[in-house]
Amino acid sequence: NAGVTQTPKFQVLKTGQSMTLQCAQDMNHEYMSWYRQDPGMGLRLIHYSVGAGITDQGEVPNGYNVSRSTTEDFPLRLLSAAPSQTSVYFCASSLAGGPNDEQFFGPGTRLTVL
Amino acid sequence: RKEVEQDPGPFNVPEGATVAFNCTYSNSASQSFFWYRQDCRKEPKLLMSVYSSGNEDGRFTAQLNRASQYISLLIRDSKLSDSATYLCVVNMLGSARQLTFGSGTQLTVLP
Repeated sequence: NAGVTQTPKFQVLKTGQSMTLQCAQDMNHEYMSWYRQDPGMGLRLIHYSVGAGITDQGEVPNGYNVSRSTTEDFPLRLLSAAPSQTSVYFCASSLAGGPNDEQFFGPGTRLTVL
Repeated sequence: RKEVEQDPGPFNVPEGATVAFNCTYSNSASQSFFWYRQDCRKEPKLLMSVYSSGNEDGRFTAQLNRASQYISLLIRDSKLSDSATYLCVVNMLGSARQLTFGSGTQLTVLP
């Protein structure tokens, strides 16, 4: 199993550009989520999904959209990039999103917005 | 006040030392607790869950004190490979979307 994969690994955008961060998992997990990690702060939840066709907002959803058309894929779209979105983005999945489920993280995407 | 607070460190210890990290959390109704490990520029990975009675996994011991709302991680006989950032993670209300991550404690084990 590849686990959780993310592409690209690195990305530089100009302010106002849009892009999609890809995330896929091959563990048949129902729960998937996107986090951002900034220096000195814990991971913060952007959006999450409890299954195909179901998404919801996390703690910091503004400026981001998600969709979940299949169990495997959970792309994150930046609508109009801003320098405040410079961060490391991690996709994660777990079996069912239960309180004791282990979260499996992808390798991350390092995004710089100029 | 942050919901989950950790001493950011860095902790620099010699090989073979014992080192302990603490983490405090604000929500007394929190249900589950974890330590994740994050190597430099890598993704977090689960190190261990923390149970009310305390639990041990090899050189690692985790403790939970619900009355004082803190979690601890003890690493005995430190190895160079233990160098990483240790994230305290608390599940506030019972589902994965309620996970709250501390900002991490950086450990460097020196030869």
